[in-house]
Amino acid sequence: GQQLNQSPQSMFIQEGEDVSMNCTSSSIFNTWLWYKQDPGEGPVLLIALYKAGELTSNGRLTAQFGITRKDSFLNISASIPSDVGIYFCAGQWGGSEKLVFGKGMKLTVNP
Amino acid sequence: DAGVIQSPRHEVTEMGQEVTLRCKPISGHNSLFWYRQTMMRGLELLIYFNNNVPIDDSGMPEDRFSAKMPNASFSTLKIQPSEPRDSAVYFCASSLADNQPQHFGDGTRLSIL
Repeated sequence: GQQLNQSPQSMFIQEGEDVSMNCTSSSIFNTWLWYKQDPGEGPVLLIALYKAGELTSNGRLTAQFGITRKDSFLNISASIPSDVGIYFCAGQWGGSEKLVFGKGMKLTVNP
Repeated sequence: DAGVIQSPRHEVTEMGQEVTLRCKPISGHNSLFWYRQTMMRGLELLIYFNNNVPIDDSGMPEDRFSAKMPNASFSTLKIQPSEPRDSAVYFCASSLADNQPQHFGDGTRLSIL
């Protein structure tokens, strides 16, 4: 089946540092999405990307849709304690509503 | 605006019992998705509906699982009989059609003893 490789699996950083994570796929996607999940809650959409090469920001978050359409990255700048959580990438093929999720990246921010 | 609403939030039951999970999608959304999340397998799509019609149920693990969407504002996921390996967090998500992002509920944490 289709798989997304999300790396790294976890990161421990100091407050104020920047962090970067990425996802790669063996398949071409038409849409890349980044979600964040807090304990006991559902994933919350952070950024949606719809076009190869697209670079989109949402506050301190920046994400890019890779030019090959097989990868995406998410950057968080100037991390704060509330950035703690699990970050998921998800890809969607054209003509389908199905999402394939990465395994997630657990972020810990030390104050 | 109300998001996706799931109930119950937690369910603990003995194996062999029937379990029914409920979901109310965001009003106006045309597509509804059921996911299962475990440590080992991550987030897996079980089934999704478009305009109340099941489109893809290839992720449903076996015949013990069934899902219905009798109207645009309600869906159920049923497990009968339940087994300990069904223990997981089950999420419902909804979206407007045409590749719009999915919005998730807060999930039902299911424990089968």
